[in-house]
Amino acid sequence: GAVVSQHPSRVICKSGTSVKIECRSLDFQATTMFWYRQFPKQSLMLMATSNEGSKATYEQGVEKDKFLINHASLTLSTLTVTSAHPEDSSFYICSAALAGAGELFFGEGSRLTVL
Amino acid sequence: GESVGLHLPTLSVQEGDNSIINCAYSNSASDYFIWYKQESGKGPQFIIDIRSNMDKRQGQRVTVLLNKTVKHLSLQIAATQPGDSAVYFCAERSNNNDMRFGAGTRLTVKP
Repeated sequence: GAVVSQHPSRVICKSGTSVKIECRSLDFQATTMFWYRQFPKQSLMLMATSNEGSKATYEQGVEKDKFLINHASLTLSTLTVTSAHPEDSSFYICSAALAGAGELFFGEGSRLTVL
Repeated sequence: GESVGLHLPTLSVQEGDNSIINCAYSNSASDYFIWYKQESGKGPQFIIDIRSNMDKRQGQRVTVLLNKTVKHLSLQIAATQPGDSAVYFCAERSNNNDMRFGAGTRLTVKP
């Protein structure tokens, strides 16, 4: 099956620094990738839709200058949490869809802890 | 706004029994639904999907039922095993082609 890889799986950073999370589709091309955020014991909340070669579409309430998304190729999307603060600590999960298929394939998630 | 939600946040069943997890959705335009399983610290894992032109779909030990009249989705797990313990989410594909998740149900299987 299709594989989506996220890196890093865990990251700890100091408040005020920026953190980049990578999402790669390993064996297929993904024109669209999605970024989700999940707080403990809560559901996945869609943050933004990442489109290859164009600007990401952000959900209401998600700061685009805070969460920078770049989808530079058909196999890579990156999420950069800029000037991270403790409240940004969360589980970030990306997903990608096979062209023509409805199913989304998810990465294993990246746990961000901001001290 | 439109949302996907769940009736029960937790479900505890005896090993070997059948489990039923429910989900209510409100976007009548949704055309595709997926059930995901999420284990602690991991990303969601696809279980089964169903399109809006169907009302039932079966997989290995799992069945998804879709009732469009009352906007209700359910996941049935037959002969529940300890390895089935996890949080289960339903998700719907919205008009913008993105997937939105319900609140989740934690399934605990007692030996």
